[in-house]
Formats: sequence, C-alpha cells, structure tokens
Amino acid sequence: EVQLLESGGGLVQPGGSLRLSCEASGFTFRDYAMTWVRQAPGKGLEWVSEISDSGGRTYDADSVKGRFTISRDNSKNTMYLQMNSLRVEDTALYYCAKGVRRVLAQAFDIWGQGTMVTVSS
Amino acid sequence: QSVLTQPPSVSAAPGQKITISCSGSNSNIGVNLVSWYQHLPGTAPKLLIFDTNKRPSGIPDRLSGSKSGTSATLGITGLQTGDEAHYYCGTWDNGLRAVVFGGGTKLTVL
Repeated sequence: EVQLLESGGGLVQPGGSLRLSCEASGFTFRDYAMTWVRQAPGKGLEWVSEISDSGGRTYDADSVKGRFTISRDNSKNTMYLQMNSLRVEDTALYYCAKGVRRVLAQAFDIWGQGTMVTVSS
Repeated sequence: QSVLTQPPSVSAAPGQKITISCSGSNSNIGVNLVSWYQHLPGTAPKLLIFDTNKRPSGIPDRLSGSKSGTSATLGITGLQTGDEAHYYCGTWDNGLRAVVFGGGTKLTVL
C-alpha cells in the first residue's frame, strides 16, 4: 500500500525548534520529488517546501526561508523538515506529499494524514 | 491573500454541474501546469486533476480540468453529496519560484 506517515509535531514555544519526519512506503521513494504543505486553523492550504528526487534541489516559501530546512534520506525512505525560530503563525497541520515527477513536481498525488504543530507560550 | 484567486463558495443540487475557476497570471497559470485537489479539513487532500487536464487513476470522468490563458477551471458533472468538500487549485509560480495554491472553494451540494 502506498503510504506517507508524518511524525514529530507537537507544542513548542515561540523561537523553538521541531523536526518533522515523513516516512514513505509502497513506492520508489528516490524517484520522486517530495513536498511539505501546511494548513493553519481555519485557513487554506499553504505550500512550505519541496525537494527534488535526489535532494539536490530545494525550494522554500518566502514565509519559511532561512528558518525551515527540507531534506531527505533516500536510504531510509524518509523526508524531513527542520523548523527553527518557530513563530505563532507557523501553527498548522503539516502534510507531506509525493510529487508526480522528479523535480518541480507541480502536482502531488499521495498525501499523509498530517502532523500538528502548535507554537504557543 | 492568495496568488491564485478562487470563488469562496459554489453550490448546486445533486445531479447538476458546477465549475470552479482559478485565476492567476502570466507567471503561474499562464505558463505552467495546473493541479486540483479535494480536501476535507483534517484529512489528507486528494489529487483530482494534474497537468491541467489529466485524471489520476480512480478519479471518475465526471471531473475535468481545463485552462485558457491565465485561468483554469475544474468541472464536476453529476454532483453527488459526497462531493461536498473544499477544492484547491495549484501551480508553480516562476516569479516567486514557489508552488502557489488558490484560497480554496467550498462546494455545497444542496
């Protein structure tokens, strides 16, 4: 079964850090770009970051540039999102998703159930 | 404010047809491929259309996607109560070098 499983969310204070993980199964992970998308409470979908199949190319939303780092370990079928200097406005349900191509996927066909990140004092 | 503009809501009766528009610019929809997603908050979004007009396996042909200039459209015929959800368009923006989504459209099947 094709599946993505996020983990690592939780409650953190402003200025703190968290690392999210996304473990993939059921497809050849190393052949596809991967992405993180978030949804703040009561808001729409917001793209966060994307990483190419090899990990050689990454792209980030302006809202997280310099604070979040996307990475992947193809030997472990896992993608990560290192989130530093967290802000209250980063509070959201974070989804990982599989791209339909190797680089600049432009569409995401498999999604996880999400992991909640709450930034609050 | 989203880079891509969608109507906040649409509604129709079961069996009818609706379209959802997604308006962008020459740096995104005008030059790139468009995707559409169905989403119920708190659940995993579902890809409905990719590469502007292609359906993933398992998506029925009563759903369709199209594009003209800097606008894209999702069409759904034979509306069912199970179609009630939020719908989002998405694409790559060459200027922002980022994936952009529309603000979402809530579909109500009366």
